[in-house]
Amino acid sequence: EAEVAQSPRYKITEKSQAVAFWCDPISGHATLYWYRQILGQGPELLVQFQDESVVDDSQLPKDRFSAERLKGVDSTLKIQPAELGDSAMYLCASSLAWTEETQYFGPGTRLLVL
Amino acid sequence: GDSVTQMEGPVTLSEEAFLTINCTYTATGYPSLFWYVQYPGEGLQLLLKATKADDKGSNKGFEATYRKETTSFHLEKGSVQVSDSAVYFCALSGPTNAGKSTFGDGTTLTVKP
Repeated sequence: EAEVAQSPRYKITEKSQAVAFWCDPISGHATLYWYRQILGQGPELLVQFQDESVVDDSQLPKDRFSAERLKGVDSTLKIQPAELGDSAMYLCASSLAWTEETQYFGPGTRLLVL
Repeated sequence: GDSVTQMEGPVTLSEEAFLTINCTYTATGYPSLFWYVQYPGEGLQLLLKATKADDKGSNKGFEATYRKETTSFHLEKGSVQVSDSAVYFCALSGPTNAGKSTFGDGTTLTVKP
């Protein structure tokens, strides 16, 4: 069964350092999402791509976060510089299209900022 | 804006007990409603969904009915198993952007043998 891949699974970094997370969606899925999940809370959408274009990044802290999906396939989420409050699980999900409601989630990257 | 409110947890039950996890929502228009489950160390998995009022979603013994009049989508299971222990998230997606989901804060369920 096709799955969404994410790496790394765990990342420990010091504040002010740069970190990057990678996501490979299910093949053929045009829409890709990055979520942040703080411990004890539900996922919060950071950015949504349709192919290589950003559909929604209204909740992305653009002063330190950036996301790209250059070829409309895999995607990278970057934080620079990392802050203590960025410690969270970062989840990637994909769907066939932005009109498709069912999303498939990857295992996530757990980030700890010291 | 859209929001989802789940009953606070954690919930601890004995095996074969009846489960209810409450979920209410606030949204513009008529959203689709979802329940996701997250097992330890894993991402979210779609458990069930309903796309219009009075629809019942069901999967693996779990059920939830879309109640427009009470803006609710409560999750139920008649007999829980130890393997059902996980975190359960209620979510909605709105008609203007079908893929943009709003999640509740999750309810942790622990089932004891």
